[in-house]
Amino acid sequence: ETGVTQSPTHLIKTRGQQVTLRCSSQSGHNTVSWYQQALGQGPQFIFQYYREEENGRGNFPPRFSGLQFPNYSSELNVNALELDDSALYLCASSLARQGGNTGELFFGEGSRLTVL
Amino acid sequence: SQQGEEDPQALSIQEGENATMNCSYKTSINNLQWYRQNSGRGLVHLILIRSNEREKHSGRLRVTLDTSKKSSSLLITASRAADTASYFCATAAPLSSGSARQLTFGSGTQLTVLP
Repeated sequence: ETGVTQSPTHLIKTRGQQVTLRCSSQSGHNTVSWYQQALGQGPQFIFQYYREEENGRGNFPPRFSGLQFPNYSSELNVNALELDDSALYLCASSLARQGGNTGELFFGEGSRLTVL
Repeated sequence: SQQGEEDPQALSIQEGENATMNCSYKTSINNLQWYRQNSGRGLVHLILIRSNEREKHSGRLRVTLDTSKKSSSLLITASRAADTASYFCATAAPLSSGSARQLTFGSGTQLTVLP
């Protein structure tokens, strides 16, 4: 148990719809990162939030957006869903120093999104 | 894109045997981490080794890092059926790079430990 909780655990959407995934960070952590993991692949970095601001972004289009709240919880929003968005979405929290390197991440159990 | 590549993709051994997984990467790193993932679940951090370290131990785990060859290995000694999982290496780039905020994962090794 990492203390990172994600909801929902599973959901099914149709192409073109929008989805919001939620993440509650481990207590004391100030940084949240989101990763997408397609079946049989390693996780791919979507973006990171540090103190409520986007702090780094991977190679994902703008229809992937996020928020971090003052209590360090976070949301991932995906608009105009495509079939290829079907994946396990993982949230990870960490305690980062400003300008510090990426250390150990604490992952939630993920939200499994299926797009039909 | 995947920075690291794990080798082998799949490994099946008997309980009690040692399991060795390898990871190669392409660019300079600040640190390299290994994670474990049970089927369809979240990742669990196992060990972190910094670029200026060559070997690190944690319980039954031994990790080595060779920055000249851009490679790392994870050894699990005296394996147990409960070690069955996917194992991923992940690299953290130096602060001077444009991608220091992310971990870049390989595609993983599926380890099966037979009782």
